[in-house]
Amino acid sequence: GAVVSQHPSWVICKSGTSVKIECRSLDFQATTMFWYRQFPKQSLMLMATSNEGSKATYEQGVEKDKFLINHASLTLSTLTVTSAHPEDSSFYICSAPDRPAGEQYFGPGTRLTVT
Amino acid sequence: AQSVTQPDIHITVSEGASLELRCNYSYGATPYLFWYVQSPGQGLQLLLKYFSGDTLVQGIKGFEAEFKRSQSSFNLRKPSVHWSDAAEYFCAVGLSGQNFVFGPGTRLSVLP
Repeated sequence: GAVVSQHPSWVICKSGTSVKIECRSLDFQATTMFWYRQFPKQSLMLMATSNEGSKATYEQGVEKDKFLINHASLTLSTLTVTSAHPEDSSFYICSAPDRPAGEQYFGPGTRLTVT
Repeated sequence: AQSVTQPDIHITVSEGASLELRCNYSYGATPYLFWYVQSPGQGLQLLLKYFSGDTLVQGIKGFEAEFKRSQSSFNLRKPSVHWSDAAEYFCAVGLSGQNFVFGPGTRLSVLP
């Protein structure tokens, strides 16, 4: 099946700094990618939808100025957490749909720890 | 509104016993249905999926699930649980090209 990668797999940063997370579809093109956030012992919640060539759409309660999304190409979406704070510490997972098949492929996730 | 419920937050079974994890959904149309497993600190692993056709689907690791349209349910089953099955299980629903909606998860513990 198709593969979605994420980089880095884990990152530790200091409060106030910015962190960029990459999501790549390795063997298929994805005009849309989804970013989810999973807090400890909780489920995955959709943060935003990344659209190639246009602005991302954010779920209610997600600060678009804090979580910058750039869908630079048909195989790459990036999520930048700006001015990170400890409450942003979470597991971030991206996914990309394979539209004709209805399948969706998830990246392995990025664990962000803000100290 | 779209929602997925997993009524059991935590289930404990003995190794070798059978297992059933419940999933109910509320969606505008009949969505695609999925079950994922997640071990601590790890990503998601797809166990099985239902798009259409036979309502009993087989997945990996000996899991199966049955779609019941009348009950809006997609329950996951395994006839004999192994200690390595201990993990968090998520039911998810979605339509082609759209984001998934995940249930809250069920944590499975397995007693030796």
